[in-house]
Amino acid sequence: DIVMTQGVLPNPVPSGESASITCRSSKSLVYKDGKTYLNWFLQRPGQSPQLLTYWMSTRASGVSDRFSGSGSGTYFTLKISRVRAEDAGVYYCQQVREYPLTFGSGTKLEIK
Amino acid sequence: QVQLKESGPGLVQPSQTLSLTCTVSGFSLMDYSVHWVRQPPGKGLEWMGRMKYDGDTYYNSALKSRLSISRDTSKSQVFLKMNSLQTEDTAIYYCTRDQPLYYGYDYWGQGVMVTVSS
Repeated sequence: DIVMTQGVLPNPVPSGESASITCRSSKSLVYKDGKTYLNWFLQRPGQSPQLLTYWMSTRASGVSDRFSGSGSGTYFTLKISRVRAEDAGVYYCQQVREYPLTFGSGTKLEIK
Repeated sequence: QVQLKESGPGLVQPSQTLSLTCTVSGFSLMDYSVHWVRQPPGKGLEWMGRMKYDGDTYYNSALKSRLSISRDTSKSQVFLKMNSLQTEDTAIYYCTRDQPLYYGYDYWGQGVMVTVSS
């Protein structure tokens, strides 16, 4: 199984600052079509997770352009610019390169 | 309007079988795959398995011996059955729609809390 390892944020992050969340995979997530099959989700307290990005860097419908995904085949970053109170929650990366699908353990973002 | 809604018992006794239903609307189960994801209290997300749009299934290797996913396309329902439940199976269980264009969960159900306890 592909293991997903997420980093920790130095919380809390002041409102208006940027935050970068990292995720590493134990195997390359690049498929033969050239796309990187890495998704990012945000789970706000008491809510279901919400898809933020797919193919490593493509924002899902309706997601603010303050969220940007980047990375290589095994190392990924989700950058949140000008953080707001509504960005607080737990961020998860997920690999969908191969089955079984796996999530990272989550990174908590608190806003000051 | 796309919706998914999980239903099932809130309390299950240890060693018993869990049966959950995901009822979907706004799309066809023959066009989209549905996945199950669970989350123990205060912990992270765990992918459980999927019902593909063509009827194929795939399971988390750690749960494979206990888990079964099926569907009734005429009722727009996907079913999860897991036997030999233990206290560590206490979790919120979500069903999600998998967007076939990019393999992302574009819609989630609200989740159903299942507690395993005697």
